[in-house]
Amino acid sequence: SQTIHQWPATLVQPVGSPLSLECTVEGTSNPNLYWYRQAAGRGLQLLFYSVGIGQISSEVPQNLSASRPQDRQFILSSKKLLLSDSGFYLCAWSEGRRETQYFGPGTRLLVL
Amino acid sequence: SQQGEEDPQALSIQEGENATMNCSYKTSINNLQWYRQNSGRGLVHLILIRSNEREKHSGRLRVTLDTSKKSSSLLITASRAADTASYFCATDEVGNEKLTFGTGTRLTIIP
Repeated sequence: SQTIHQWPATLVQPVGSPLSLECTVEGTSNPNLYWYRQAAGRGLQLLFYSVGIGQISSEVPQNLSASRPQDRQFILSSKKLLLSDSGFYLCAWSEGRRETQYFGPGTRLLVL
Repeated sequence: SQQGEEDPQALSIQEGENATMNCSYKTSINNLQWYRQNSGRGLVHLILIRSNEREKHSGRLRVTLDTSKKSSSLLITASRAADTASYFCATDEVGNEKLTFGTGTRLTIIP
């Protein structure tokens, strides 16, 4: 069966520090991968999606970037964090663009 | 961009009662999905209904879709304390090729 992992679960970082969040999927090949951000009590904002290795689409201009160095690995990065980057970051995968998405457990990021 | 909007934003009911949540959207869709999120956790897919379907059941869940009104409802029957969570609809819009999530309904089941 397929599983999706995210780490770390919680992260507290100072403003201006770098960020690297990792997401890996097991049990499937060539998944579509997604990064979302969720503000407290709000819906999900799609940040990036990828349909294959090295293929990244950005939905919202921002302080973040994403990379997909391997088929089942998706990384969210920042060179210098802003206070506004605080939030709950969720990684998800699907077999197709319109199909069911399966979410990881999320990373709670607090930028101070 | 177009986004599903859930109604109500928050709902509290007694255990055993039925809970109904609604989702409205603005453009044509290929399918509509409902997800559940427990506090501080990832989302879990509940049910997918395609644009040519009008009703779908899964256990205690019943989803309806009215494409003429651009709306969907999620009914949870015989609610349990474990149903306490936020519920989101997500629309797959024609020509957009991505899911757009609403802001969710926070459901609280009172034991």
